[in-house]
Amino acid sequence: NAGVTQTPKFQVLKTGQSMTLQCAQDMNHNSMYWYRQDPGMGLRLIYYSASEGTTDKGEVPNGYNVSRLNKREFSLRLESAAPSQTSVYFCASSEEMESYGYTFGSGTRLTVV
Amino acid sequence: KNQVEQSPQSLIILEGKNCTLQCNYTVSPFSNLRWYKQDTGRGPVSLTIMTFSENTKSNGRYTATLDADTKQSSLHITASQLSDSASYICVVSPTNSWGKLQFGAGTQVVVTP
Repeated sequence: NAGVTQTPKFQVLKTGQSMTLQCAQDMNHNSMYWYRQDPGMGLRLIYYSASEGTTDKGEVPNGYNVSRLNKREFSLRLESAAPSQTSVYFCASSEEMESYGYTFGSGTRLTVV
Repeated sequence: KNQVEQSPQSLIILEGKNCTLQCNYTVSPFSNLRWYKQDTGRGPVSLTIMTFSENTKSNGRYTATLDADTKQSSLHITASQLSDSASYICVVSPTNSWGKLQFGAGTQVVVTP
């Protein structure tokens, strides 16, 4: 049982390049989330998808877009990467938005130079 | 200003000793408070979850307490082991926030032989 799988694990981008972070869960969860984690700060919500077919902005959505491809997959896209987007990105899922049980992926460490 | 503050930022303890981590929050009202453990290079994993009406919750050698009147929580680690070396994150779920959790920055614990 893999849980939440994120790819890639590491990525280096040049300023202005684009990329998509992939996330897939195999727990039949309805809700999925993208967070970023920066040194000295708590995880911050970028976008979330309460259920298949819906997406909404979180606390720090600027510079990102998301796609809920199906119930399993939720991708995060950086259209024009900036050094301020250097961070560790975590995807998470839960049965419902108000569920206690969040499962996190192992993260993607992104560096923008 | 972060609504969830944790202290200390980091600590080093000897294997076998106990330690207590602190979490102060201003989130109000809230429905539950969670403690997560995050190993280096991994995503957070849930340790305990307490509703606003609970005072204590244990998970093996981990015991969390909650004082909703003073808006403080603590996580006590008993008889620490080398595998306890990790970051411990306090997370508060605001009432009616529809899953938009507030994360503390974490306390980095290092257990030495």
